[in-house]
Amino acid sequence: DAGVTQSPTHLIKTRGQHVTLRCSPISGHKSVSWYQQVLGQGPQFIFQYYEKEERGRGNFPDRFSARQFPNYSSELNVNALLLGDSALYLCASSLVTGELFFGEGSRLTVL
Amino acid sequence: GESVGLHLPTLSVQEGDNSIINCAYSNSASDYFIWYKQESGKGPQFIIDIRSNMDKRQGQRVTVLLNKTVKHLSLQIAATQPGDSAVYFCAEPTQDNDMRFGAGTRLTVKP
Repeated sequence: DAGVTQSPTHLIKTRGQHVTLRCSPISGHKSVSWYQQVLGQGPQFIFQYYEKEERGRGNFPDRFSARQFPNYSSELNVNALLLGDSALYLCASSLVTGELFFGEGSRLTVL
Repeated sequence: GESVGLHLPTLSVQEGDNSIINCAYSNSASDYFIWYKQESGKGPQFIIDIRSNMDKRQGQRVTVLLNKTVKHLSLQIAATQPGDSAVYFCAEPTQDNDMRFGAGTRLTVKP
């Protein structure tokens, strides 16, 4: 069975640009969460979606948005990129709550 | 605010020795903790969890100890192997549907 898949794996953007990251959860998982991991730190929670509704939001500016589709896949969008947005963006899926299964992440570099 | 943190950022052990990774938490109401392992270039992977009604839980070569009196938990890895080299995070789920991670301890296993 496929695990959580994320795309793209790596990308480079410049300040002010927009980025869309994609995530496909494990089959049967209805909850998707997004985390930002800056180098040398633990993951920081951005969003959680369950059944296409936002169920949790971390302390991130409105430049960050997400959505979940009917097939439970998800997108994370970041507008007006800043240098500080450079990080590994992790997607995790779970059945409802409980154990999180993480993808390998999308590494974003903002120049 | 409430936090989950780790005592040491790095730990180096000899192959075959036991490893102990420590974590402190601040919320006395916390009742569930998880240890994750993150290898280079990958997302965090669940290792073991423990609920507050337990003091100890054992898995394959890993043991988690919970001391609620001093709000401390530890992850013990027996007979550490090169494949155990990774960053280890303690984490706890919050009421806001997120997982709060500590900063991580990088374990290096010397051959």
